[in-house]
Amino acid sequence: ETGVTQTPRHLVMGMTNKKSLKCEQHLGHNAMYWYKQSAKKPLELMFVYSLEERVENNSVPSRFSPECPNSSHLFLHLHTLQPEDSALYLCASSRSSGGGSTEAFFGQGTRLTVV
Amino acid sequence: GNSVTQMEGPVTLSEEAFLTINCTYTATGYPSLFWYVQYPGEGLQLLLKATKADDKGSNKGFEATYRKETTSFHLEKGSVQVSDSAVYFCALNYGGATNKLIFGTGTLLAVQP
Repeated sequence: ETGVTQTPRHLVMGMTNKKSLKCEQHLGHNAMYWYKQSAKKPLELMFVYSLEERVENNSVPSRFSPECPNSSHLFLHLHTLQPEDSALYLCASSRSSGGGSTEAFFGQGTRLTVV
Repeated sequence: GNSVTQMEGPVTLSEEAFLTINCTYTATGYPSLFWYVQYPGEGLQLLLKATKADDKGSNKGFEATYRKETTSFHLEKGSVQVSDSAVYFCALNYGGATNKLIFGTGTLLAVQP
């Protein structure tokens, strides 16, 4: 139990569906992150929120839409995905300050399959 | 740019064998370095970290030393157990306002009884 909870754990969706991934942290952190983990690739940082503002969007296609309504919750809204978007999506949180020495805490991930 | 390179796996060892997983990095400035572990079906957990040159991070029998001269942060354990079977990720954090982590590709360790 890392203090970061992701739901659902598994999701199968068609290419025309709309779904959302949810992340919640109980650690009092003020930065949250979405990562994509694909086989044989480094983890890809998708979005960063600090103090509820999006501070980074790493050239992610618009079919992925993040939302951070408060410092404890982070969503990833999905629509018209492609089969190559199938992956494990990991949420993480950290303190936004710390000069780089602060570690991130990860959720268990959502295994997404696009059919 | 900033990047992390890990040795490719899988690494297969017998129980009680010595483990080394190599990690080298490229970074501007002085990043903090981390090892994360991912057990099957789980997210990533911090294993250990080092925040400046010559620091040694250690946890659960694992160790890694921040070597600035060789830009390395190799993970070692003297005697592995079956329960250590997992994927190990080396990462760096070059700080700033958002504490972004840059990860290597991960190394799968399989320990056989």
